[in-house]
Amino acid sequence: ETGVTQTPRHLVMGMTNKKSLKCEQHLGHNAMYWYKQSAKKPLELMFVYNFKEQTENNSVPSRFSPECPNSSHLFLHLHTLQPEDSALYLCASSQAASGEYEQYFGPGTRLTVT
Amino acid sequence: QQQVKQSPQSLIVQKGGISIINCAYENTAFDYFPWYQQFPGKGPALLIAIRPDVSEKKEGRFTISFNKSAKQFSLHIMDSQPGDSATYFCAAVMDTGRRALTFGSGTRLQVQP
Repeated sequence: ETGVTQTPRHLVMGMTNKKSLKCEQHLGHNAMYWYKQSAKKPLELMFVYNFKEQTENNSVPSRFSPECPNSSHLFLHLHTLQPEDSALYLCASSQAASGEYEQYFGPGTRLTVT
Repeated sequence: QQQVKQSPQSLIVQKGGISIINCAYENTAFDYFPWYQQFPGKGPALLIAIRPDVSEKKEGRFTISFNKSAKQFSLHIMDSQPGDSATYFCAAVMDTGRRALTFGSGTRLQVQP
């Protein structure tokens, strides 16, 4: 595997389900990010982790819970989601949590909440 | 509140033509401006980036023009090809220690053969 991988690629879940999104980077980076991409809206930064520590939570509802066990893995735990949470969730990584470093994105998980 | 405004939302260009996408920002603390390209089913990928101390940067067929006084920057794609058909995002980074990317809303480019 190379670059940034995300699983699953597609997920359909009901509002009462609990599911997790997984991201893995094979680039030796120290920073990882979760973004939400909705139709007709800009990419929204959700969370930033730098050296496994959360450095930013962009006012994300608590029904989204991130976890970063090490610099290579990032999870997004989902529970009691709303239909408006349906979107493409993108994971990215960079050498460090600084915007001047190129962020490498995974292909995303297409989430549909029914 | 959108800090980086991008236009147009969609763009159709004939093969060989010039594609121009514009972005504007308000916050003068932004000091790094990358452009990302996203193909369907893929995540965005860095295309080209510029700092405000230069007015233009060119890489192959892609050029960023930067107007610091107007707080505007644009992406020009020369000799546009059907393979350039993708969604393009401008972004900006603020030098405050919180150096996360702020993205524009995206432009869907279609290059017709």
